Amino acid sequence: DIQMTQSPSSLSASVGDRVTITCQASQDISNYLNWYQQKPGKAPKLLIYDASNLETGVPSRFSGSGSGTDFTFTISSLQPEDIATYYCQQYDNLPALTFGGGTKVEIK
Amino acid sequence: EVQLVESGGGLVQPGRSLRLSCTASGFTFGDYAMSWVRQAPGKGLEWVGFIRSKAYGGTTEYAASVKGRFTISRDDSKSIAYLQMNSLKTEDTAVYYCTRVRYCTNGVCYYYYMDVWGKGTTVTVSS
Repeated sequence: DIQMTQSPSSLSASVGDRVTITCQASQDISNYLNWYQQKPGKAPKLLIYDASNLETGVPSRFSGSGSGTDFTFTISSLQPEDIATYYCQQYDNLPALTFGGGTKVEIK
Repeated sequence: EVQLVESGGGLVQPGRSLRLSCTASGFTFGDYAMSWVRQAPGKGLEWVGFIRSKAYGGTTEYAASVKGRFTISRDDSKSIAYLQMNSLKTEDTAVYYCTRVRYCTNGVCYYYYMDVWGKGTTVTVSS
């Protein structure tokens, strides 16, 4: 199976800060990578698909980039409502779809 | 409103069975693949499996951890997806989410996005 390594596992930042999360695949997955947000006690929500495409209705402060093995998820200006855990997910080798371990984002 | 509602969770003893249901509304259920994702207490997300739409043969795929024990099915006439879980183990304890999947793999396109999620149903496997 393809392993997805997310870092950091947690971070604390101030409102307005730029936040960056990375996700590294154990092998080339092209751009077959999605990002999800999970707020405490809630179901996950799709934010970014195919590495860089913003899902409809998602604020433009969220963005994604990368291809191959290295991917980046960015919140350009952290807001209080962005407190959540973020997961990357690859689908290069269906059916062995895998998630990263998650990054918990907190407000400093 | 597009919505998925899971039901059927509960407390079950190891080795027993349980069937979860996912009732969809607000979209043409038969046009979409459907998947199940679980989350053990305090842990990350784990994909369980999915069922393709009839347009893709309605076939299923499973994670290695549940293959041979879990079965996903669908009733397009009722807009319901099911997860039949047999030979349950304590490590199957989790919140189980149903998701809608935007899926395409026909040689021209290739994508798999879980774009709608239910609120989840809790399964506890314990004696």
